[in-house]
Amino acid sequence: DAMVIQNPRYQVTQFGKPVTLSCSQTLNHNVMYWYQQKSSQAPKLLFHYYDKDFNNEADTPDNFQSRRPNTSFCFLDIRSPGLGDAAMYLCATSRAGPQGSYEQYFGPGTRLTVT
Amino acid sequence: AQSVSQHNHHVILSEAASLELGCNYSYGGTVNLFWYVQYPGQHLQLLLKYFSGDPLVKGIKGFEAEFIKSKFSFNLRKPSVQWSDTAEYFCAVTSNAGKSTFGDGTTLTVKP
Repeated sequence: DAMVIQNPRYQVTQFGKPVTLSCSQTLNHNVMYWYQQKSSQAPKLLFHYYDKDFNNEADTPDNFQSRRPNTSFCFLDIRSPGLGDAAMYLCATSRAGPQGSYEQYFGPGTRLTVT
Repeated sequence: AQSVSQHNHHVILSEAASLELGCNYSYGGTVNLFWYVQYPGQHLQLLLKYFSGDPLVKGIKGFEAEFIKSKFSFNLRKPSVQWSDTAEYFCAVTSNAGKSTFGDGTTLTVKP
């Protein structure tokens, strides 16, 4: 089945120690998203790639970076995690453009704990 | 800037009651509107969507939503809820550039 896969599902890192979360998709969608979701809150868009174009949200901290080496993969790098970065990180994909539906397909998320 | 406002943060209903969750959005361009649902322990999934055409759209599990352009609203409805509808519901707007904004969500608890 086509899907959005996130690894790892649970990640524990130390304060200030860089961490990378990964996302892959088999849907061949041209848009990939990274969201941060804290308990009982809405998913907060960090950035998205529309094809190769990177779109950073104005309030996304510089501590967060992303890479999309190809259509299928996208990475979230947190350079120096703080305690406030503990959250669920969601990856999503969609098909945008004239033939696109824009509906997002979500992965299961990565639960990040910062100690 | 685009924004989404959901009026109800927590709704508690008995089975067979009718449901309406409010959603208002703000965006100056063409909108693509969505309701997503997150069941306990599961990831977000699409409930229904609106792009154009008939403003009354039907989704999975008997849900429907009505797009009212003059009110910038996209309210979610279900005539008779079931215990299995207990979940978190999110209204979202996505621009044609792919930028997506979610509302704060509504937690629906259905009592058996």
